[in-house]
Order: sequence, then structure tokens, then C-alpha cells
Amino acid sequence: AQSVTQLDSQVPVFEEAPVELRCNYSSSVSVYLFWYVQYPNQGLQLLLKYLSGSTLVKGINGFEAEFNKSQTSFHLRKPSVHISDTAEYFCAVSKTSYDKVIFGPGTSLSVIP
Amino acid sequence: EAGVTQSPTHLIKTRGQQVTLRCSPISGHTSVYWYQQALGLGLQFLLWYDEGEERNRGNFPPRFSGRQFPNYSSELNVNALELEDSALYLCASSPSGISTDTQYFGPGTRLTVL
Repeated sequence: AQSVTQLDSQVPVFEEAPVELRCNYSSSVSVYLFWYVQYPNQGLQLLLKYLSGSTLVKGINGFEAEFNKSQTSFHLRKPSVHISDTAEYFCAVSKTSYDKVIFGPGTSLSVIP
Repeated sequence: EAGVTQSPTHLIKTRGQQVTLRCSPISGHTSVYWYQQALGLGLQFLLWYDEGEERNRGNFPPRFSGRQFPNYSSELNVNALELEDSALYLCASSPSGISTDTQYFGPGTRLTVL
């Protein structure tokens, strides 16, 4: 069965510093990968997704992620974080376009002023 | 455009009772997903409906069930409630029945089982 690992449950980072949130998935022939964000007291929203093509995917709010097939990873990065980036971040994977989407356990990003 | 709506927002039940949660997708969306978000466990996939049919089901016991209506709204039913069913139940919708579509999430229903 497909699975997603987010090694860091909590990531504190100072404002304007760079951040990387790690995501690894169990291997498959092909996968579709997603990052969703859940701001405090709000519903989840899509940050970005990888379906095919360029391995570097750019999303909203200055976030980007790189698909690395050999390392089965899809790490999320931002060069300079803001207080407003404080949220829970979920990596997700789907094996095919007709398979369910499996979410990782989430990483809580706390931006320190 | 109205987003995904869920009702009720909060619910308190006792063990053994039954509960029904409701979800209205974004207009034009045919797929509805249900997730359980328990403390510290992330999102656990429950059910996926598309065009009125159950497309996929997560690893939950049969007392978790649901359905999708002709207008694409959906219900999640949980029978014989247990304490560990206490969680935030999230509904999401997408434009069609493929998982690569973006899912649009509602605010959730907070269920507390005493």
C-alpha cells in the first residue's frame, strides 16, 4: 500500500530564514504528489502538486517542491518564511489518477519572530 | 462561489450512539471525499464518492458508511460510536473523479464522543 512519511513533526524556524519540510513516499511505478497547507482554524488548501514533467514545482505563497524519483522524496522549500506561514503542512500521494490520495501525518511549521 | 460546506460544525455524542455528518460540495463538483483528522494522526482517508457511486474506501470498520445524493451532496454515518471516533471530520470536493484534481476542503465537523 502507498504510504507517506514526514520525518519532522514540528519545525521551528526564524522569520526570513529558509525552510525545508521533508516528505518521502513508498515507491511505485509512478506517483502523483501534493502538498496541502492547513492554516490555524482553517480548512486545507493546495500549495502545489506534481503530476508529470519538470521535477521542480512552484506553488502559491513562494513555496516550491522538488520531485526526486531515485530518493522517493518530494521536499517542500521556501527561501524566506513569514509569520503567516505558520501552519500544518501535509504531503500526499496518489498511485494512479483513479486511486485514493494518502496523506502524511503532517509537519507543524512555527515561524518565530 | 460558495466553498465546501459541512454541518454541523460541532457535535457531542455518547458512546453507542449514531451520528450523521453532511457535506455540500462546490457547485459543479462531482466527487466528495471524507477524512478523519484525529489528534496527532494526520488525515486518514475514509470514503470517496463520485457521481453517486463509492469509488474507494479506507481502512475503517463497516460502522462508518456514507452515500452521495443526486445533487452530489454527501452524508457520512457513524454507528455505535466509540471514544476513539472523537475527531475532526473533513469533507473535500473535486471537479471530477480523478485523484489528480485539486481537492477543496470544508471547515470540518468536530465530533466529540463521551
